[in-house]
Amino acid sequence: GQNIDQPTEMTATEGAIVQINCTYQTSGFNGLFWYQQHAGEAPTFLSYNVLDGLEEKGRFSSFLSRSKGYSYLLLKELQMKDSASYLCAVSDSNYQLIWGAGTKLIIKP
Amino acid sequence: IAGITQAPTSQILAAGRRMTLRCTQDMRHNAMYWYRQDLGLGLRLIHYSNTAGTTGKGEVPDGYSVSRANTDDFPLTLASAVPSQTSVYFCASSDQVSNTGELFFGEGSRLTVL
Repeated sequence: GQNIDQPTEMTATEGAIVQINCTYQTSGFNGLFWYQQHAGEAPTFLSYNVLDGLEEKGRFSSFLSRSKGYSYLLLKELQMKDSASYLCAVSDSNYQLIWGAGTKLIIKP
Repeated sequence: IAGITQAPTSQILAAGRRMTLRCTQDMRHNAMYWYRQDLGLGLRLIHYSNTAGTTGKGEVPDGYSVSRANTDDFPLTLASAVPSQTSVYFCASSDQVSNTGELFFGEGSRLTVL
């Protein structure tokens, strides 16, 4: 079966760096997405990786290793507004998105 | 403001009743999706439509139906609601021509079936 694994919850301190990992097993691979979802709101797009390596976008970076079935989202200079759930999703061979359950990130002052 | 609009935002429904969740987008995206989100689970695809006039079943289609009469509208119907359909429902769209396949989500419809 197809599976996306990510930690259920993480805690970090304001101003620090946090890495959220995602491992996947899917039938085919057409890219990996990270979305941010604040409580009670809709998910919003953060990043897309289809080739191995690091994609940097401001304070957020996303890394992909296709051979290891592994990605991480790196958040730097954490701010209180970064408290949210972070969803990892993989596009499979049929271009359908398979979603992880999300990682709830709690930022403490 | 361009985007996706869902209605209603919240609804309490008696079991056995029929319910239609509305979804409208003004971005002229060809693909649209309905997901449900439950605590501890990832977003699960109910139905999708790659273009107007066509629909397909997702991971959890039972008890739900959709239609895509035009590009903008993609309503989701629960023919006879059951308590297990209590969930938050998200409509989304994407422009499959773009190379990222980014999804744009509506604000969600919180449905409670008693």
